[in-house]
Amino acid sequence: NAGVTQTPKFRILKIGQSMTLQCTQDMNHNYMYWYRQDPGMGLKLIYYSVGAGITDKGEVPNGYNVSRSTTEDFPLRLELAAPSQTSVYFCASSRPDQGHGYTFGSGTRLTVV
Amino acid sequence: GNSVTQMEGPVTLSEEAFLTINCTYTATGYPSLFWYVQYPGEGLQLLLKATKADDKGSNKGFEATYRKETTSFHLEKGSVQVSDSAVYFCALGNRDDKIIFGKGTRLHILP
Repeated sequence: NAGVTQTPKFRILKIGQSMTLQCTQDMNHNYMYWYRQDPGMGLKLIYYSVGAGITDKGEVPNGYNVSRSTTEDFPLRLELAAPSQTSVYFCASSRPDQGHGYTFGSGTRLTVV
Repeated sequence: GNSVTQMEGPVTLSEEAFLTINCTYTATGYPSLFWYVQYPGEGLQLLLKATKADDKGSNKGFEATYRKETTSFHLEKGSVQVSDSAVYFCALGNRDDKIIFGKGTRLHILP
């Protein structure tokens, strides 16, 4: 199994540009999540989804959008990049009913200049 | 609401020293408890878990016991190695709900 796959691994954006961070999982997990991790800090939840067609805001959703058209994919969209969005972004997935915790992707390091 | 509090780092130890990273929690119901590890430049990986009171999770020489009476899940290892240098996150989760993560504790092991 590939687990959770994130692309790209690195990206530099100019202020005002847009991009989509891709996340896909092949474990048939119903829950998926997007987190950001600023240098030396913990994780902050941006958005999450409990199943295809359902998304909800986390604690820091401003400046981001998500969609969940399939069980496998959960892309994160940045519409107007700002320096405050410089961070490492992690996607994760889970099956809470199985109690196994989250499986994380390897992250996307984004710099906005 | 649910919350997790873990000791602030960084924690610096010499190789072969004994490690304890404290974690306490506040929760309704009977959550599962987790320790995740993040090596430099990587995502978080599940290190160990416990699903009910008095359970002991263990992996790679690390252990943690689910203590309901003290609402704690402290991470321990008897003899740390340089390769254990990483950030460790304590977390809790109820079924059908999001996992709550602590702020992380950075561990440095000196050769």
